[in-house]
This record gives sequence, structure tokens and C-alpha cells, in this order.
Amino acid sequence: DVKVTQSSRYLVKRTGEKVFLECVQDMDHENMFWYRQDPGLGLRLIYFSYDVKMKEKGDIPEGYSVSREKKERFSLILESASTNQTSMYLCASSSGQGPYEQYFGPGTRLTVT
Amino acid sequence: GENVEQHPSTLSVQEGDSAVIKCTYSDSASNYFPWYKQELGKRPQLIIDIRSNVGEKKDQRIAVTLNKTAKHFSLHITETQPEDSAVYFCAATTSGSARQLTFGSGTQLTVLP
Repeated sequence: DVKVTQSSRYLVKRTGEKVFLECVQDMDHENMFWYRQDPGLGLRLIYFSYDVKMKEKGDIPEGYSVSREKKERFSLILESASTNQTSMYLCASSSGQGPYEQYFGPGTRLTVT
Repeated sequence: GENVEQHPSTLSVQEGDSAVIKCTYSDSASNYFPWYKQELGKRPQLIIDIRSNVGEKKDQRIAVTLNKTAKHFSLHITETQPEDSAVYFCAATTSGSARQLTFGSGTQLTVLP
């Protein structure tokens, strides 16, 4: 059974703080993704990675960065959190060169005050 | 890039009735069209997918149809049950990358007992 886990279910941070969201998958998947989910906007891709140390910008990368030092782990970084980054963040992974099913983590509800 | 539009945004049906959710996509090169179901407070999970070389696919009470000429695809749920209540997302592969998906904005389906 594929397992994608995220470091926190709920997170509250202050404006200007540096925020780290971590995602770990146990299926040796090449591809990992970070999405942001907002009501009425669906799932929007922030960044994705198809290999260790590789990253590609998605549709809304501004204000975010990522890190993938190990195949199983993909981190999303908010360098200086702002209130408009309050959202649900979902990590996902998939295998191979695609297109294949993406497996999602449980999500992190981030509130920036 | 790819643009996926999903309608309706909300849908209420009586238990036992059918539900249909429609999506259109913009990139004629898209070749993979998954549907995800997200129950309240849970992660999105794949329920059915279709590839561009197939016009229809069924799995028990759910089916997906694809019209490549018109660039639209639809999810059909028959004999709806209360446990079908959830948010449903359609998606399509992103132009230039088979690994990436572009998601629709979601449909909140409510099955009334």
C-alpha cells in the first residue's frame, strides 16, 4: 500500500516566519508534487520534482521554494510566510515517466496570522 | 499550458439517481484523464481514469467517457448512495509533460437520502 505522509496536519505561523512542510513517500516514486488547495480553485501545482535535486516550477511558484535531497522526501519552503499563503497544502507522488496515478498525502492546513 | 474547466461546481441528487460531472480541456495533446474523489477531511483518491485511446471505461457504478474531438470528458455515477457525497476533481495531463496533471476546480456532490 502506497503511503505518503506529511509532517503536520495543522500548522499556525506568523507573518514573516520561514515555514517548512515535509513530505515522505515509501514507494520509491520518482515524481513528487506540491499542490495548494483553495475552495473553488481546485488543486494548483506549486512545484514538482522528477528526481533527486531536480525541481520544476508549477503554476504558482511565487513565494515558495522546494528541496529534494533524498528520493523519498520533498520539502516545501515558505521563505517569508504571508497571510495569502494560508491554505491547504497537499503533497503527492507518482512513479515513472507517466502518466500514472498520483498518490496524495493527508494535507497540511497552514494558517498564517 | 493546459486549462481544465469543470462543471457544475455543486450538484445535489436524490439517492438512487444518477450524477454527471463534465470537464473540458484545452490541449489536444493531453492523453490521460483521471478522476479523484475527496471525502471531507481526507486526501484525494483516484476512482477512475481513462487514456486517450479509449472512449469509455466503466467500473461498477462509475463510468468515464472521453470525446477527443470536442475535448471533453465526463464522470457518470449511477444509483448514487450517501457515501458518494464528496468533492470530485477531474484532471488532464499537462502540455509538454506526461508526469504533470492540471486539475479542474472541483464539484461538490451531495447525495440526499
